[in-house]
Amino acid sequence: EAQVTQNPRYLITVTGKKLTVTCSQNMNHEYMSWYRQDPGLGLRQIYYSMNVEVTDKGDVPEGYKVSRKEKRNFPLILESPSPNQTSLYFCASWSYSYEQYFGPGTRLTVT
Amino acid sequence: QQPVQSPQAVILREGEDAVINCSSSKALYSVHWYRQKHGEAPVFLMILLKGGEQKGHDKISASFNEKKQQSSLYLTASQLSYSGTYFCGTPGSARQLTFGSGTQLTVLP
Repeated sequence: EAQVTQNPRYLITVTGKKLTVTCSQNMNHEYMSWYRQDPGLGLRQIYYSMNVEVTDKGDVPEGYKVSRKEKRNFPLILESPSPNQTSLYFCASWSYSYEQYFGPGTRLTVT
Repeated sequence: QQPVQSPQAVILREGEDAVINCSSSKALYSVHWYRQKHGEAPVFLMILLKGGEQKGHDKISASFNEKKQQSSLYLTASQLSYSGTYFCGTPGSARQLTFGSGTQLTVLP
């Protein structure tokens, strides 16, 4: 089954404790992206990747890091999380057709 | 820059029609529409391409006015299953999308 998976689905952590949210796709898509979703603000792009080892900043990259060492994986790293990063995070992947496939989401709470 | 969607929310009865608008400050060659049901991930609905070609959903239609940099999504004879938040997205140079803030559609029985 074609899918994008994210782990964990729910995470509660404390300020400053490094964390990684994993994202994996099995569709051999070239493009991948991370979004955060906050009430009233829609989906805002954090980082995106055009292929292995090629990444670029989206609209809200501050406080986040990404890497793309393999085509299928695109982890999101928060090295020192803060409460303003409490949000719902989505990973997505797509190919040249533009249709994006989203993962199920990760709800992060930073206290 | 984020496209602007209107209205922010709409409530209607089953069987009624709704229109959701999306406008951009930059020139567009395509507009993308997604729907997100409560508690779920966004799902692709359709792509509107410059020149009028439309790819996607067979029960929801849309228009794309390149000169006005606007797109409208038309939901006719709404069903309960149409409830959710609708996002339009505009493409960037690397095939990434910038999404609008969304329109929350509630269909009541």
